Amino acid sequence: EDQVTQSPEALRLQEGESSSLNCSYTVSGLRGLFWYRQDPGKGPEFLFTLYSAGEEKEKERLKATLTKKESFLHITAPKPEDSATYLCAWVTGAGSYQLTFGKGTKLSVIP
Amino acid sequence: SAVISQKPSRDICQRGTSLTIQCQVDSQVTMMFWYRQQPGQSLTLIATANQGSEATYESGFVIDKFPISRPNLTFSTLTVSNMSPEDSSIYLCSALDTEAFFGQGTRLTVV
Repeated sequence: EDQVTQSPEALRLQEGESSSLNCSYTVSGLRGLFWYRQDPGKGPEFLFTLYSAGEEKEKERLKATLTKKESFLHITAPKPEDSATYLCAWVTGAGSYQLTFGKGTKLSVIP
Repeated sequence: SAVISQKPSRDICQRGTSLTIQCQVDSQVTMMFWYRQQPGQSLTLIATANQGSEATYESGFVIDKFPISRPNLTFSTLTVSNMSPEDSSIYLCSALDTEAFFGQGTRLTVV
């Protein structure tokens, strides 16, 4: 059975304290792994898509990486405005574009 | 990236009634989807909205309860029928452009 697990469920960081969020998967036929940010009461905001092991993408203080079994979202020197829930999602199967979401990591950055 | 407008943003409805949620995309997109996010949970795919044909529903979701229309490549509606308190949730529209983008969601409360 395909499974994706996000860890930790919640993370509290001091402003400037770098860390990583994890999305581990046992999905056959992975065609893409996605990262989203979701603020309370809003829809998910697209961050990154990763397609193959070894791929990396960066955006401001965020960097996403992908291996054969997991993806990391690295947050460098976070600020309070980075506080949100970070979701990973994946797509499998030829011709399929439906996303299956993990449960998310709720990040709180304390000033 | 595509911009998705969803309305209403929130509503409080009586049980037994129906609510139709509208999703408008500012450009033509190949695929549109509807998701549900229950309180404190991640997103679950309800169905793929197919242009000009019946929607494709995921396990646990049926057309009689969640009828979906997609008359063209920029617009879709989801109706939540014969509502009960268990239908209280956030309903999200998603469109596939270069990536998968989301509307801001409709927060539905059934009383």
